[in-house]
Amino acid sequence: EAQVTQNPRYLITVTGKKLTVTCSQNMNHEYMSWYRQDPGLGLRQIYYSMNVEVTDKGDVPEGYKVSRKEKRNFPLILESPSPNQTSLYFCASSLGRNPYEQYFGPGTRLTVT
Amino acid sequence: EDQVTQSPEALRLQEGESSSLNCSYTVSGLRGLFWYRQDPGKGPEFLFTLYSAGEEKEKERLKATLTKKESFLHITAPKPEDSATYLCAVSRGNYGQNFVFGPGTRLSVLP
Repeated sequence: EAQVTQNPRYLITVTGKKLTVTCSQNMNHEYMSWYRQDPGLGLRQIYYSMNVEVTDKGDVPEGYKVSRKEKRNFPLILESPSPNQTSLYFCASSLGRNPYEQYFGPGTRLTVT
Repeated sequence: EDQVTQSPEALRLQEGESSSLNCSYTVSGLRGLFWYRQDPGKGPEFLFTLYSAGEEKEKERLKATLTKKESFLHITAPKPEDSATYLCAVSRGNYGQNFVFGPGTRLSVLP
C-alpha cells in the first residue's frame, strides 16, 4: 500500500530534550516536506526537500533541522524543544519538483512541557 | 506578503443544500492552487490541482474553479460524509515547491 508513515504518533517530552520524528514514504517520491498545524494558523511549512541531500527552509524553520540521506526518509529533528513547538506535525511527499499533489502522513502530536 | 484566506470559517448545511467555499490568495509567482480535505485526526487528502485562471475540475459532488485572485469549491447536493475541513493551498517558488495553506473551512452537513 502506498503510504507516508510517521513515528511516533504521539510524544510528550520536556524542554531541551532532543527528539527526532521519523518520516518514510514507499512511493519513490522525490519531494518531501514537513508542516506544523496549529489552531487558527493552519498548516505551515517547516522544511522541504526536492531530492536526496537537497533541503530548503519553509516559512517556519526556526528550531528545527532536517536531513535527507535516503530518498524514502526525511526525519525532523528538534535539538532543543521548547513549549512553543507543541503542535501537530505532518510529513508529506509528492512525485517531483513541480507542484504535484502531496500525500500526507497521519500526523505526530507533540507536547513539550 | 503572500497570503491565503478562506471563507467562511465554518459552514453548516442541510443534506442536499448546495453551497460554495471561497479561497482568496495574494502570492507572487503562483505555480498552482490545491484543494485538500482533512478529517478530524487525519492528514489532509488531496482533491484538486488548478494551474491557471479559468480552469475547472470536478469530482463527484465537488467542483473547483480558479480566477486570478480566488478559487471556489462548489459542493452540489452535499451528503453527511462530505463533512470535513477543506483546505486551500498555493504553491510558489521556482518549481512550486514552497506551499502556503489557508486556515480552512469547517463544513458540517446535517442529515
